[in-house]
Amino acid sequence: NAGVTQTPKFQVLKTGQSMTLQCAQDMNHNSMYWYRQDPGMGLRLIYYSASEGTTDKGEVPNGYNVSRLNKREFSLRLESAAPSQTSVYFCASDFRDSYTGELFFGEGSRLTVL
Amino acid sequence: AQKVTQAQTEISVVEKEDVTLDCVYETRDTTYYLFWYKQPPSGELVFLIRRNSFDEQNEISGRYSWNFQKSTSSFNFTITASQVVDSAVYFCALSNFALIYNQGGKLIFGQGTELSVKP
Repeated sequence: NAGVTQTPKFQVLKTGQSMTLQCAQDMNHNSMYWYRQDPGMGLRLIYYSASEGTTDKGEVPNGYNVSRLNKREFSLRLESAAPSQTSVYFCASDFRDSYTGELFFGEGSRLTVL
Repeated sequence: AQKVTQAQTEISVVEKEDVTLDCVYETRDTTYYLFWYKQPPSGELVFLIRRNSFDEQNEISGRYSWNFQKSTSSFNFTITASQVVDSAVYFCALSNFALIYNQGGKLIFGQGTELSVKP
């Protein structure tokens, strides 16, 4: 059972470099999310996609872009990385129409921006 | 505005002790959901429970229990007879009713409480 798969798991970037975090889920979920986790701040929503073809900003969208490539995949792109984007990034998914409150999370991607 | 506060940053207990993790929330909505998630050292987040604002009954699941009190806006989590495997970061989270059924998992998370259970 793969669930939610994120790649890469670790990445070090220099300021100004770009990169894309990939996320794929195999549970046929409608909705997908990108959160970031910072010490003392819990998880904060960056962007989400309620269904294939739609994306919306969350609490902290600045400096990021997303693409819902298809129902399975939701990518997060940093166009010009900044040290403030050093964080652990989590992708998550769920069934929007029969919502139980159970988000399914990936294992996280640890990003360091120097 | 919605907000979740977990005032306890770190808690350390000895195995078999009971421990309560506090969660206080703020919301102007009359219908909302509260959640607890566990993040073990491996890093993934695991769903533990959801409680809606209509239901103030306490819930027990094995060694875990949850106390929801609307009067104090609290949703506390107690682990009875703690074990080393309970060591993790625990997050409390909040979402309102409309968001749940329209936009899914837009949760507001607390800062997390790191629980360390020593043998």
